[in-house]
Amino acid sequence: AQTVTQSQPEMSVQEAETVTLSCTYDTSENNYYLFWYKQPPSRQMILVIRQEAYKQQNATENRFSVNFQKAAKSFSLKISDSQLGDTAMYFCAFMNPGDYGGSQGNLIFGKGTKLSVKP
Amino acid sequence: GAGVSQSPRYKVAKRGQDVALRCDPISGHVSLFWYQQALGQGPEFLTYFQNEAQLDKSGLPSDRFFAERPEGSVSTLKIQRTQQEDSAVYLCASSQRFKGGASNYGYTFGSGTRLTVV
Repeated sequence: AQTVTQSQPEMSVQEAETVTLSCTYDTSENNYYLFWYKQPPSRQMILVIRQEAYKQQNATENRFSVNFQKAAKSFSLKISDSQLGDTAMYFCAFMNPGDYGGSQGNLIFGKGTKLSVKP
Repeated sequence: GAGVSQSPRYKVAKRGQDVALRCDPISGHVSLFWYQQALGQGPEFLTYFQNEAQLDKSGLPSDRFFAERPEGSVSTLKIQRTQQEDSAVYLCASSQRFKGGASNYGYTFGSGTRLTVV
């Protein structure tokens, strides 16, 4: 069974600085997807960034980038130029894609990291 | 609608009461998921619908939990004889693609229903 581990329950960063959130996962699959979701107090899960395991190039979305180390099963999120609006829970998630039943296509989440951006 | 709508936003139930949580996905979305998020935890999968068919209910914690999506749009998650351990946020997500294929398009989540059983 796949598992996702986020070892940092809480992190804080000064506005405009850079912060890195850690995520490790365990799987025997070779083809899968990894995600970072943001959950503000409104509770809605918002997709931040997505990485396909078969792509060696790290995904980037504006101020958000990942460091994907497939052999180490590590998927960290770097937030540059942190903004007050980045304050939220951040969840790392794994998906084993497939069109069939079972756990394929389900998102498996870590426990989250609470990020606070301080002015 | 423009997003995934869930109601009610908050629900307080007395232990033993039955509750019904509603999810209104984005129009035309094929896939619909329910997740349970306990306090301080990440969401955990409950069940999956492809249109009106419930193809995966492996995450439902007990037979007190029941979900339906009779016309392939709105879905209802029903919990019978609620227990304190059922207290959680219940999130609904939808996608225009089928399960797994949705990874290329992403899932859109609602804001959830916070259920408190007292």
